[in-house]
Amino acid sequence: DQQVKQNSPSLSVQEGRISILNCDYTNSMFDYFLWYKKYPAEGPTFLISISSIKDKNEDGRFTVFLNKSAKHLSLHIVPSQPGDSAVYFCAASDTGGSYIPTFGRGTSLIVHP
Amino acid sequence: DTAVSQTPKYLVTQMGNDKSIKCEQNLGHDTMYWYKQDSKKFLKIMFSYNNKELIINETVPNRFSPKSPDKAHLNLHINSLELGDSAVYFCASSPRLAGAYNEQFFGPGTRLTVL
Repeated sequence: DQQVKQNSPSLSVQEGRISILNCDYTNSMFDYFLWYKKYPAEGPTFLISISSIKDKNEDGRFTVFLNKSAKHLSLHIVPSQPGDSAVYFCAASDTGGSYIPTFGRGTSLIVHP
Repeated sequence: DTAVSQTPKYLVTQMGNDKSIKCEQNLGHDTMYWYKQDSKKFLKIMFSYNNKELIINETVPNRFSPKSPDKAHLNLHINSLELGDSAVYFCASSPRLAGAYNEQFFGPGTRLTVL
């Protein structure tokens, strides 16, 4: 029962272009969403988050968009850089209930120079 | 000064053995977690501790026993290892138990291989 789905296992983008990573969720109780970035042989590191009261949150080159009606969020990276090449995990939590985040299986982003 | 550290980084062992993985955080966080990342790449919560007290224990075989001697440490002991236990185990911590803006800080992972 995958409550958080990242349907694209990988994404390849040219340096300088936009990277768009997608995430869908099924649990309507989720109200807080996070993106983590993971390099090989390291643990995930927090990147950006968004609360369900917002539909957009921006931090430098990274922007997360939330569409609650579609139960969909996306992470935009503009412009993409080779150092952004990593696995990106989407996570969602129900802060009023089972607050432990549920993770997707990740999308591997490769940014070509 | 690593925020969340795990030892060992790699662990290769035979079926039936007992092994432990140690985790320490120097962030002063109240809550610590163990996650398992299996071959399908999902990060699945195993345990959550808050101020040394077990809060969450997902459907994990009782061969897995977490121990928290203090708020900064959460160790994972595994008895009678099985082939299916092969995975990467991540320790994590967060400032508090619940609520938004409570992102987790992860350790580097321990790759366990059971032969």
